[in-house]
Amino acid sequence: GQQLNQSPQSMFIQEGEDVSMNCTSSSIFNTWLWYKQDPGEGPVLLIALYKAGELTSNGRLTAQFGITRKDSFLNISASIPSDVGIYFCAGFAGGTSYGKLTFGQGTILTVHP
Amino acid sequence: NAGVMQNPRHLVRRRGQEARLRCSPMKGHSHVYWYRQLPEEGLKFMVYLQKENIIDESGMPKERFSAEFPKEGPSILRIQQVVRGDSAAYFCASSPTGSAEQYFGPGTRLTVT
Repeated sequence: GQQLNQSPQSMFIQEGEDVSMNCTSSSIFNTWLWYKQDPGEGPVLLIALYKAGELTSNGRLTAQFGITRKDSFLNISASIPSDVGIYFCAGFAGGTSYGKLTFGQGTILTVHP
Repeated sequence: NAGVMQNPRHLVRRRGQEARLRCSPMKGHSHVYWYRQLPEEGLKFMVYLQKENIIDESGMPKERFSAEFPKEGPSILRIQQVVRGDSAAYFCASSPTGSAEQYFGPGTRLTVT
C-alpha cells in the first residue's frame, strides 16, 4: 500500500530556531495536509496543499507541495515553546473524489526555552 | 461552531466484551472517517462513511469491526469481542463535500484488560 516516510523522527531545538521537516512517498499524491497533535488530543489541521509547487503559509508555518508530487515540506520559523508536539504529514492519492488519508509516522518536536 | 465530538473519551473493556465508539461530525459535514492510532505511530485509516453508506472500508479488519453512519444520530464504530490488540486511540474525522480537509475529534482511548 501507499506509505509516507516522514523525517526526522524527532527534533530537539532551542526556542527561536527554525525547524524543517519533510515527507516523501514512492507514489504520487494529489493533496498534502500537515497536522499537529498534542498529547491526548486529536490532530489539528495546519495547512492544506492542492497543487504541485504550491507554497502556503499559516503564520510562522510554511509548507510546500513538491514538484514531483511525491514530497512535501513543513517549515516553522522562530519556534516557541507551544510549538511542542507531534507533526504529521498526510496525503490523499485518489482521483476525482476525496477519501482516506495516508499518514506519515510523525515528527516529535521538543523546544527548549 | 462545535468541532467533531467523540464519546466516550476513555473506554475500558475486558476481553470478549463489546466496544461502541461514537462520533458526531462538525455541523454541515456529511463525510465521516475513522482512524486508529497505536502509541508513537501515525494514524491508520479504517473506514469512510457518508449518511447511510459505507464508501470505503478497505482499512477495517474483516472480523469483529463494523461501522455505521445512520440518517439520524452519530456515527458508530463497533468492536465485538475485543482483544488486547484492539487497545488504541480511535479518531473520527469529518469533512464537507468536495474537500480533502479532514477535521479530527479528540479521540476515544480504548483499553482492553
